Parts: sequence; structure tokens; C-alpha cells
Amino acid sequence: NAGVTQTPKFQVLKTGQSMTLQCAQDMNHEYMSWYRQDPGMGLRLIHYSVGAGITDQGEVPNGYNVSRSTTEDFPLRLLSAAPSQTSVYFCASTLGDPSRGELFFGEGSRLTVL
Amino acid sequence: KNQVEQSPQSLIILEGKNCTLQCNYTVSPFSNLRWYKQDTGRGPVSLTIMTFSENTKSNGRYTATLDADTKQSSLHITASQLSDSASYICVFDQTGANNLFFGTGTRLTVIP
Repeated sequence: NAGVTQTPKFQVLKTGQSMTLQCAQDMNHEYMSWYRQDPGMGLRLIHYSVGAGITDQGEVPNGYNVSRSTTEDFPLRLLSAAPSQTSVYFCASTLGDPSRGELFFGEGSRLTVL
Repeated sequence: KNQVEQSPQSLIILEGKNCTLQCNYTVSPFSNLRWYKQDTGRGPVSLTIMTFSENTKSNGRYTATLDADTKQSSLHITASQLSDSASYICVFDQTGANNLFFGTGTRLTVIP
């Protein structure tokens, strides 16, 4: 039972570098999303997808890109990392409408931008 | 503005004791209220999910309550165990919006 798998778990970047956080789920969930978690703040939605080929912005999308070419995968791209993007990132998925079903989270990816 | 505030920020209790965590909200209208448990270095895991029309929902030693009049939710943990040490987060999904509003969490430490 893999559930939601995120890689890498830890990453250190220099300002201006690019990278991709990977997220894969094996539950055939339609809805996938990315959140960031910062100290003293609740999780905030970055981008989400309601199905393959469909993505939309969340609360804090600036500096991040996403794509959804398959049902299983939902990578998050940082094109030019900034120190403000230092955070813990969580991928989450659910079968249908996130307001109705249980949201399953990955284990998180801790990113530090120097 | 939709907000979710949790109290206390942190709490230390003795093993075997009960505790209650609070969540005040202004999210309106909302469809569901959820409580999550997040162990250090792990992702949140669902404890309870209840609709806006429910008053209480239990999951073993965890009981969530909702008071729509005071706009408060509580998570009550009975007979605490060392494994209950974690952060507990309340979450509201605003009706019709593709977004969830997360509280900042309460960090619970259970000591022997």
C-alpha cells in the first residue's frame, strides 16, 4: 500500500536553481494537490488538479508550475528557487471532490533554499 | 476573512490523562470539518471528518465536537498514550470552493 509517494524527502538548493518535487499516487485518485507548510501557519494550497490534463492555481501559486499528464503523477516545479520557498511541501490526493472525501497526504519534502 | 485559529499552541500532559484541543473558525459556509494528526516529520493523517450539521464524531479515543453557535470545534483525547504526541490540525472546507482552510495546529506532548 504505497498511497501517496513524494520524492525527494530533503533537498537543498541555491537561489536561482530549479528543481522538481515528484508526487505519485497509486489509488486512482482524480484530485491531487500541493501544499506548503511553514512555521506558525496552516498548510496553504499551491496548485491542484481535478484530473489528467487539468490544473489550477491555489492560494500561493507564484514561483511554482505544475502539470498532470497522467492520473498517477503530479510534479511541482520550481523554476528559479528563492529563499522564501524554503518550506515543507506536501502532496495530497483524494478520489473525487476534496470537500467530500478523505484527503491522503504524502510524507512531505523539506526544501531549503540558500 | 476565512480564518482558523487553534489553541493552545502547545500542550504537555501526563500519560493516561485526558485533554481537549480547541479550534475557532470564521469559515462560512463550510461543508466539512476535519481533524488531522501529524507526527513529526510525517504527513497529516485523518482522524475525523464531520459535516456542518453534525455535533460530534468519534474515532476510538478521539472525539470531535462542533458548536456552530460559538463557531468552535474541539478535539477531546481520552486516556492519552505516548503515541498521541503529535500536532493536531483542524481543517474546514468552504462550500463551493476548491480549497481547505487549515489551522496552525496544537503540538501535544504526552510524557510518562
